[in-house]
Parts: sequence; C-alpha cells; structure tokens
Amino acid sequence: DAMVIQNPRYQVTQFGKPVTLSCSQTLNHNVMYWYQQKSSQAPKLLFHYYDKDFNNEADTPDNFQSRRPNTSFCFLDIRSPGLGDAAMYLCAISPDRGNQPQHFGDGTRLSIL
Amino acid sequence: EDQVTQSPEALRLQEGESSSLNCSYTVSGLRGLFWYRQDPGKGPEFLFTLYSAGEEKEKERLKATLTKKESFLHITAPKPEDSATYLCAAFNQAGTALIFGKGTTLSVSS
Repeated sequence: DAMVIQNPRYQVTQFGKPVTLSCSQTLNHNVMYWYQQKSSQAPKLLFHYYDKDFNNEADTPDNFQSRRPNTSFCFLDIRSPGLGDAAMYLCAISPDRGNQPQHFGDGTRLSIL
Repeated sequence: EDQVTQSPEALRLQEGESSSLNCSYTVSGLRGLFWYRQDPGKGPEFLFTLYSAGEEKEKERLKATLTKKESFLHITAPKPEDSATYLCAAFNQAGTALIFGKGTTLSVSS
C-alpha cells in the first residue's frame, strides 16, 4: 500500500492562476518534504516541515508556499504560476531529519497554459 | 559547495551484461548516501542507504558500495525490468537537505 499519496497526479492550470497540490501520508512520520523535479534534472528541495516547524530553502521563490494542517497532510500552494514552474512536484516523508531515508509519492505533474 | 555527480548519464546494456553506475560526492561530513530507482512518471523508490566507507548493501541483482569519495551501484546480469533512472543522493552536513545527482538512465534490452 502506498505510504505517500499525492493528488492530483496531473494538474493543468493557467498562467498566473493559483494552484494547490496535496500530499497525505499513512505513517505519521514527523517530516514532510516538497521537491520540484524538471525534465531530466535532479529533484530540488523546496521546503520541509519538521512536525509543525516550517523550513524554507534559501533559493525557493516566494511564489511557493506550504501548509501542514495536521501530521497526515501537507499542501503546496503556487500563488502565481509561471511557465517556468511546469514540473513534477514530489512529496516525501521520513521519520526524522538527519540520515533517515525519505520515501516519495508518485508526484503531481503540473502543466501551465 | 556540496555536490553529487553521477556518471554515465545514460547506459545501454544487453540482458545479462553486468555493469556499474558511479556516484561521486563532495559533501562535508557525509551523513548518509542513498540510492533510488525512478521509473518514468513515478516518484523515486528507495533502494539503499550507506553510512560509512567500506559498507556494502545488496538487493537481488543490485549491490551498492561506498568509498570516501564515491559510491557504485553494481548491476549483475540485468534484466529488461531493471530499466529505469537510478538516482544517488547525499545529506548535507546539517542533515536537513538531500542533495541529488541528475541520475543515470539505464536501458536493458533483451
């Protein structure tokens, strides 16, 4: 059974129209991560939650926000998507930070018209 | 700057033809080296964690090894179902971010 569930699998939005991507987990792990992966590139960490503590990467654009209303759910909000934001967005979980392996969902493929 | 570099970018093998993928890293105070498999349109699937030089892990036809500067993923007698992109990643010293390489795309033909 999937540990990390991302919805929707495919999302199409218009340039500048806000969009929200969803991630849920079945393991109650403390840490939830959001990555952006563009075609043929490495996943790039956007931010992570350690429990309720939000940690933003220094180079993550302000256009990207996140919410974690409870242990099981985490959302990625893109306030004004640009063409350069078209990518696969991956959610991952781990029991703790540090040297624990992360387990990924199957991602949401975001397209911008 | 912490960095992970994988080679080759792409590798084509015949079924049964063994080979190795390379992951070189420059990370201060390595806290873990991870291998993932990623199929098209899917998220990365965790394979192995290596924590110290000399450590080895095996799973079916895959074996991962670690030295102080690089890691290798050895594939013995691959099958077409082993075709995927293999990603290597290392934690930065603070342990807050996984730094991924760009991956090696493996194609195995029968």
